[in-house]
Amino acid sequence: GAVVSQHPSWVICKSGTSVKIECRSLDFQATTMFWYRQFPKQSLMLMATSNEGSKATYEQGVEKDKFLINHASLTLSTLTVTSAHPEDSSFYICSARPPTGVTEAFFGQGTRLTVV
Amino acid sequence: AQSVTQLDSHVSVSEGTPVLLRCNYSSSYSPSLFWYVQHPNKGLQLLLKYTSAATLVKGINGFEAEFKKSETSFHLTKPSAHMSDAAEYFCVVTANSGGSNYKLTFGKGTLLTVNP
Repeated sequence: GAVVSQHPSWVICKSGTSVKIECRSLDFQATTMFWYRQFPKQSLMLMATSNEGSKATYEQGVEKDKFLINHASLTLSTLTVTSAHPEDSSFYICSARPPTGVTEAFFGQGTRLTVV
Repeated sequence: AQSVTQLDSHVSVSEGTPVLLRCNYSSSYSPSLFWYVQHPNKGLQLLLKYTSAATLVKGINGFEAEFKKSETSFHLTKPSAHMSDAAEYFCVVTANSGGSNYKLTFGKGTLLTVNP
């Protein structure tokens, strides 16, 4: 299957700083990528849909100025958590829209963010 | 509109005994259905998928699932549990094969515990 690589796998940062998470499709071009947040023992919550070359589409209740998404190429989307606070600590997962003819989504390994 | 209901938040089995994880779905269109597994602090790995072909789907690691349209179910089974099967399992549905409105809907997850 196709591979989606997410980096870093974990990060610790201080309150008030910004953190960037990268999501790369390694062997296919992804016109659309998705960013999810997962709270402990809960399911994935879609934060936003990242579209190559255009603005991301955010889900209701997600602050676009807090979670900046950039999808500058067909293989890379980034999520930047700006002015991080302890309540932003969570597990963030990206996935890539499958190539034509493939129905399943491919997920990154996830990033554990801890804000201290 | 589409939705997924995983009927059990936690299933506990003994090693070597059968596994049954239940999933019911609703969808306005012909759905594609997936089971993903997530180990702690990891991304999601696809176990199997149903996309309107054979209703009995075989996946990796000995898992299989049967699509039953009349019951709107897609239960996941395995004849004999292994300790390494202990993880969180998500049932996922999409009613779009990859067009512009591609969106996944996740169940809340079932935690599988395997006892020695």
